[in-house]
Amino acid sequence: DGGITQSPKYLFRKEGQNVTLSCEQNLNHDAMYWYRQDPGQGLRLIYYSQIVNDFQKGDIAEGYSVSREKKESFPLTVTSAQKNPTAFYLCASSDRGSTYMGNQPQHFGDGTRLSIL
Amino acid sequence: GQQVMQIPQYQHVQEGEDFTTYCNSSTTLSNIQWYKQRPGGHPVFLIQLVKSGEVKKQKRLTFQFGEAKKNSSLHITATQTTDVGTYFCASLYDSGGSNYKLTFGKGTLLTVNP
Repeated sequence: DGGITQSPKYLFRKEGQNVTLSCEQNLNHDAMYWYRQDPGQGLRLIYYSQIVNDFQKGDIAEGYSVSREKKESFPLTVTSAQKNPTAFYLCASSDRGSTYMGNQPQHFGDGTRLSIL
Repeated sequence: GQQVMQIPQYQHVQEGEDFTTYCNSSTTLSNIQWYKQRPGGHPVFLIQLVKSGEVKKQKRLTFQFGEAKKNSSLHITATQTTDVGTYFCASLYDSGGSNYKLTFGKGTLLTVNP
């Protein structure tokens, strides 16, 4: 079954600690994305990657880091510099979007809920 | 950056009533995508509109893209309790260097009273 797997489902972070959220997809999608969702804020883009070994900052990248060493994987690290990390984190993937090739829908994982201890 | 404004933020209806959410932009949009997120779930793609004035239907859901490609709407006829959730619009834009990303509206939370 093709899809996106995020783990863990729930995560707790201590003060000064970095934590890493996993995102794996077997849809053979080129593009992957990380979003943060807070109540009433919709989805805000943290980082995105259109191809392996390349990624771009989204709208709220401060305090986060990512890597894209494999097409299937796009882990997100929430660093201690992110002072308000409590949120619902969603990973998504899609075929690479292009206004000429046609725009592609995003497929989302089930999310990770991160809280501060 | 490009933004899409979505209204209303919340909508509560009686089962059987109609529901509409609107998505507006000050700039011309290349496309509009609509997603639904059930409570506790993740967003699920519903549909994409690309052409000016386009109208698409999915059973009781009707999606429209404005003639000027600056607004869109999602209309649900005769709501059911299964329609409960947050409906998001999103538009793709080029953030520079051929890097394309979606910008989401803040969503409309629909609740349905049985």
